[in-house]
Amino acid sequence: GAVVSQHPSWVICKSGTSVKIECRSLDFQATTMFWYRQFPKQSLMLMATSNEGSKATYEQGVEKDKFLINHASLTLSTLTVTSAHPEDSSFYICSGVLRGPWEQYFGPGTRLTVT
Amino acid sequence: DAKTTQPPSMDCAEGRAANLPCNHSTISGNEYGYWYRQIHSQGPQYIIHGLKNNETNEMASLIITEDRKSSTLILPHATLRDTAVYYCIVTLNTGTASKLTFGTGTRLQVTL
Repeated sequence: GAVVSQHPSWVICKSGTSVKIECRSLDFQATTMFWYRQFPKQSLMLMATSNEGSKATYEQGVEKDKFLINHASLTLSTLTVTSAHPEDSSFYICSGVLRGPWEQYFGPGTRLTVT
Repeated sequence: DAKTTQPPSMDCAEGRAANLPCNHSTISGNEYGYWYRQIHSQGPQYIIHGLKNNETNEMASLIITEDRKSSTLILPHATLRDTAVYYCIVTLNTGTASKLTFGTGTRLQVTL
């Protein structure tokens, strides 16, 4: 299957700072990328849909001004957590889609800890 | 999207078949059933999907009841590496825009 990478794999930051997470599709072009968040022992929760060259679509309850998403190319989407707080500590996972749901390839995740 | 119900956990002996059930009684005619799994602290991995016919690939088999209200994922010879959370997801196939809504899944523990 296709490969999606994320960078960094883990990050610790201080409360009030911003953190950028990169999601790259390494061997395919992803018109659509998704961002998920997963708290410990919970399921993945979809945060937003990222489409190349257009504004991201956020799920209900996700603050678009806090979680900035940029999908500047067909192989790169970034998620910036602005003014991070301890409650933003979570496992953030992205995915890139090739043709449909059966070809949604997930990155390895980024573990964010805000102190 | 139709809601799914899965048992929270299951155990399976290594080498035996693991049968993971999923109820989706409100599934509509054009919704597909997808199975993904998530090994601890990794991103999910696609396993298989189907509409109404049974499906098989190199990873697993998917058995769908005639009324489509439930399905079973079968791992024919489970190994320790199959220990993971398995998610049954029902959604429309709208191409690249199709969203996956993850429920709580079934935590499969494969033991020696």
